[in-house]
Amino acid sequence: GAGVSQTPSNKVTEKGKYVELRCDPISGHTALYWYRQSLGQGPEFLIYFQGTGAADDSGLPNDRFFAVRPEGSVSTLKIQRTERGDSAVYLCASSLTRATEQYFGPGTRLTVT
Amino acid sequence: AQKVTQAQTEISVVEKEDVTLDCVYETRDTTYYLFWYKQPPSGELVFLIRRNSFDEQNEISGRYSWNFQKSTSSFNFTITASQVVDSAVYFCALSDMNTGFQKLVFGTGTRLLVSP
Repeated sequence: GAGVSQTPSNKVTEKGKYVELRCDPISGHTALYWYRQSLGQGPEFLIYFQGTGAADDSGLPNDRFFAVRPEGSVSTLKIQRTERGDSAVYLCASSLTRATEQYFGPGTRLTVT
Repeated sequence: AQKVTQAQTEISVVEKEDVTLDCVYETRDTTYYLFWYKQPPSGELVFLIRRNSFDEQNEISGRYSWNFQKSTSSFNFTITASQVVDSAVYFCALSDMNTGFQKLVFGTGTRLLVSP
């Protein structure tokens, strides 16, 4: 079956602009996660959704970052007033339940110039 | 706080050699999960294994095997008879069982290069 998909695969934006990154989880997966991976590092947790609600957003670096999952499926990560330090690969993962293993998408590489 | 250390930044081997990737973790939790993921050049993290802290039995899956030792807080990964397709970055990760979901804490990864 289809895995986790993320769009766009690459996004280049100018400092100060607003961006949206989209994640389509595996069908039927109730849990959805966003991670950020900087060059040469492991992924770092950003936010977790169970259904439509953000159950844990403790990893969001500041209030410029926001994520939604209005219908409990597709999720959008939104970054306002982007900064060069936001440049990274943003990974989305989903799992059947909150207790099962996570399957990752290919990521969106964000470059802020 | 939880922490995962993968001290080997990069390992180079020749095909058919065995290779072990080290993972040492720190956690105050008594119940937790440990994971290994593979990240090939395409970038997508591929799930390999999850072990819970109650089960210290070693696991073997084909050419892959994992050695979990609570006494040394280690969860090492061995690839037997390595192949060029094994070339990737491998991440070890940890999550506790108390948060109600699996909040993965990753190590910095080990890049494995298998040459023909």
